[in-house]
Amino acid sequence: AAGVIQSPRHLIKEKRETATLKCYPIPRHDTVYWYQQGPGQDPQFLISFYEKMQSDKGSIPDRFSAQQFSDYHSELNMSSLELGDSALYFCASSSFGSEGIYEQYFGPGTRLTVT
Amino acid sequence: GNSVTQMEGPVTLSEEAFLTINCTYTATGYPSLFWYVQYPGEGLQLLLKATKADDKGSNKGFEATYRKETTSFHLEKGSVQVSDSAVYFCALSDMNTGFQKLVFGTGTRLLVSP
Repeated sequence: AAGVIQSPRHLIKEKRETATLKCYPIPRHDTVYWYQQGPGQDPQFLISFYEKMQSDKGSIPDRFSAQQFSDYHSELNMSSLELGDSALYFCASSSFGSEGIYEQYFGPGTRLTVT
Repeated sequence: GNSVTQMEGPVTLSEEAFLTINCTYTATGYPSLFWYVQYPGEGLQLLLKATKADDKGSNKGFEATYRKETTSFHLEKGSVQVSDSAVYFCALSDMNTGFQKLVFGTGTRLLVSP
């Protein structure tokens, strides 16, 4: 079965540089979520999109922006990178299921290292 | 706000031992509850879920029951294997937002030795 695809899997950037992370959801999933997982920490919700519109926003810094495109893939753009942005970034996708919940399926993550 | 509290790890067990990882939650409304597993170097995999009180989620020998009266969703397995070594995250979906973002606990690392 098709899974969530994220690219790149690893990314090394320097401070103050810009990074773009991409996410390709499971086919026919209409909702995409982004989470950030710092070293040894739990994933923290950043932002989500439903049908190409932002649906919810969490603890996402103003330096970050994201969007969902017409083919439902999503991109997380990160500018003025800081050392503290080093983390594993997960994308998840879901659709509204028969049980009345959004069951989220996660991609393998992009490991961003800022030096 | 909504939150999830898990027992701290690491939990160290011998193969075939019984596993319990405690999880309690605080939520407004009636969240759905999940256990996710993260193997080294990999992403999060949904292990099991429960959507309402007294539901039991089960998968691969793991079980957890949604206990509304104690606001708990403890993960159990009767006989662990070395291959179960991973980090386990308890999570709830925030039903206050239409798209139900997940709120995670801090994770519990399980180490199973032969």
